[in-house]
Parts: sequence; structure tokens; C-alpha cells
Amino acid sequence: AQSVTQLDSHVSVSEGTPVLLRCNYSSSYSPSLFWYVQHPNKGLQLLLKYTSAATLVKGINGFEAEFKKSETSFHLTKPSAHMSDAAEYFCVVSDSPGGSQGNLIFGKGTKLSVKP
Amino acid sequence: DAGITQSPRHKVTETGTPVTLRCHQTENHRYMYWYRQDPGHGLRLIHYSYGVKDTDKGEVSDGYSVSRSKTEDFLLTLESATSSQTSVYFCAIGLYANTGELFFGEGSRLTVL
Repeated sequence: AQSVTQLDSHVSVSEGTPVLLRCNYSSSYSPSLFWYVQHPNKGLQLLLKYTSAATLVKGINGFEAEFKKSETSFHLTKPSAHMSDAAEYFCVVSDSPGGSQGNLIFGKGTKLSVKP
Repeated sequence: DAGITQSPRHKVTETGTPVTLRCHQTENHRYMYWYRQDPGHGLRLIHYSYGVKDTDKGEVSDGYSVSRSKTEDFLLTLESATSSQTSVYFCAIGLYANTGELFFGEGSRLTVL
């Protein structure tokens, strides 16, 4: 069975410094992996996805993630944090072929705070 | 852009009363989902639909039922609300078939007293 673990429930960075949000996954098959972002009182928005093409995936707003099969990780990074990045981030795994939506497993979320 | 409207956005009700949450989409996307979000649990799938009158259970379906009589509307019903169903409920649509890419509504906050 698939699972996803977000290693930090809270991360705090200063504006202009790098962001690292960590995610490890467990999957029986070659997984599809996603990061979603949720701003306060809003729905979730897809940030980026990995579906077995390039291992380094670029998303919106300068975020990227690298799929590392040997480490079963899919960490989210950004070189320089902006105040508007303050939000909650969810790592999501699907191990159904093509990422069938009925089998998405969400991590518990990492809340990112950005200090001025 | 896919448009999703959830109603009501906020509701307070009492234990034992029925509650229906509505999700309306403005486009003809086949897949629709209901999730609940609780602190420390991320999002958990309640039910989903892959077409009119075609629905299936998710991870936490007990105490919930759904209906989809039209492509654009997906209803979530709590037949007899309990305090454990206090949560934020999100509707989502699958923009493309079998890709895991979801577009979410803004949520319905339900409080059961």
C-alpha cells in the first residue's frame, strides 16, 4: 500500500532564504507524486507533479521538486522565499496507473511561515 | 479555468440533523470528489464520482452518502450529523482523466454541535 510522510509539520524561513519541505513516500509501483499548496481559507492548488518523466520537476511560483527513487523522496524546494509563499503544503502520492484520482494519498501537511 | 462553487460555505447544525453540501461545476468534467480536511490528517477522500449516477466510496465514507444526477452537481449528504463530522469539506474535480490533477473548491466549513 502507498503512503506519504511529510517530515516537518512546521517550517519557518526568512524572506529571501531557501525553502526545503521534505516528503518521503512508500509505493508498490512506480508512483505519481504531487505537491499541492493551500493558502489560508482557500482550496488546494496544484503546485507541480511527477509522472515518470524528468526527475527534476518545475512548478509554479519558482518551486521545484526532485524525485529520488533510491531515497524514496520528493522534496520541495525554492531558492528564495517570498512572503506570499506562506501557506500549507501537501505532498501527495498515487500508485495507480496514470495517477487515478481515486487512489490519491495526502500527507498531513507542512505549514510554511515566512518572516520578513 | 474550471469553476467550482460549494454551498453553503459555512454551516452550524445540531447533532442528529441531516445536512447536504452541494458542489457545482461550470464545465463538464467527469470526475468529482468530496474530501474532508481535519488538523493533523491532511485530506481524506469520502466519496467520488466518475460520471452521472456512478459513484464509489473513499477512505472515510461511513456516515456519508452522495448523489450525482447531473454532470455539474455532486451532492454530499450527512443523514444524521455527528460531532465527529465537524470538519472542512472540499469538493474537487479531475481536470483530466486519470492524472491525479485536481482542482479544488474553496471549502465548506461544517460545525456539528
